[in-house]
Amino acid sequence: GAGVSQSPRYKVAKRGQDVALRCDPISGHVSLFWYQQALGQGPEFLTYFQNEAQLDKSGLPSDRFFAERPEGSVSTLKIQRTQQEDSAVYLCASSPVGSGEKLFFGSGTQLSVL
Amino acid sequence: ILNVEQSPQSLHVQEGDSTNFTCSFPSSNFYALHWYRWETAKSPEALFVMTLNGDEKKKGRISATLNTKEGYSYLYIKGSQPEDSATYLCAFTGDSSYKLIFGSGTRLLVRP
Repeated sequence: GAGVSQSPRYKVAKRGQDVALRCDPISGHVSLFWYQQALGQGPEFLTYFQNEAQLDKSGLPSDRFFAERPEGSVSTLKIQRTQQEDSAVYLCASSPVGSGEKLFFGSGTQLSVL
Repeated sequence: ILNVEQSPQSLHVQEGDSTNFTCSFPSSNFYALHWYRWETAKSPEALFVMTLNGDEKKKGRISATLNTKEGYSYLYIKGSQPEDSATYLCAFTGDSSYKLIFGSGTRLLVRP
């Protein structure tokens, strides 16, 4: 399809388990973002890539969170040793340029940590 | 800490009613204000990106205004329809023009 694709759609993990969330942005989009949305709140910025370069990772909550985009297209957000407070919807978005333009979002991955 | 506030938190209206929501954001170091619509089980979809004080944008029955000096934006829906039921998110960008700071959203339910 032509939109941003995220997988899996739902993920249930046991506390302490590692998880990997995938994002396929729109082809040719330079910028890629990850956001985290906790229940009842707005999405919060996690990290920003321009092509393969991770320009800002200031929103990653701890060193258990790691994101990569090695070839400047598909991105993976990895969470090690998941905790209950990691339960949230993880949204990926892309845009054609670096800043100032609207974002194209995926449907999100809903992570539940038991 | 940069805060974006949206009100009301939720809204139930009857089909055909017109409605509006408010987004408040920091008035200093403004770069852009975004509005997104997020329907259940779908992706958030951009409605408007506004950059200039006094901007007014329109898309069908939905319109938005922007006041950067006082730090607020209004979203209006004229003649609400059940398909307008969604969460409406606003997001502010300041110095870091790529980093969107979102409000918690306004959840709209339009009853037939």
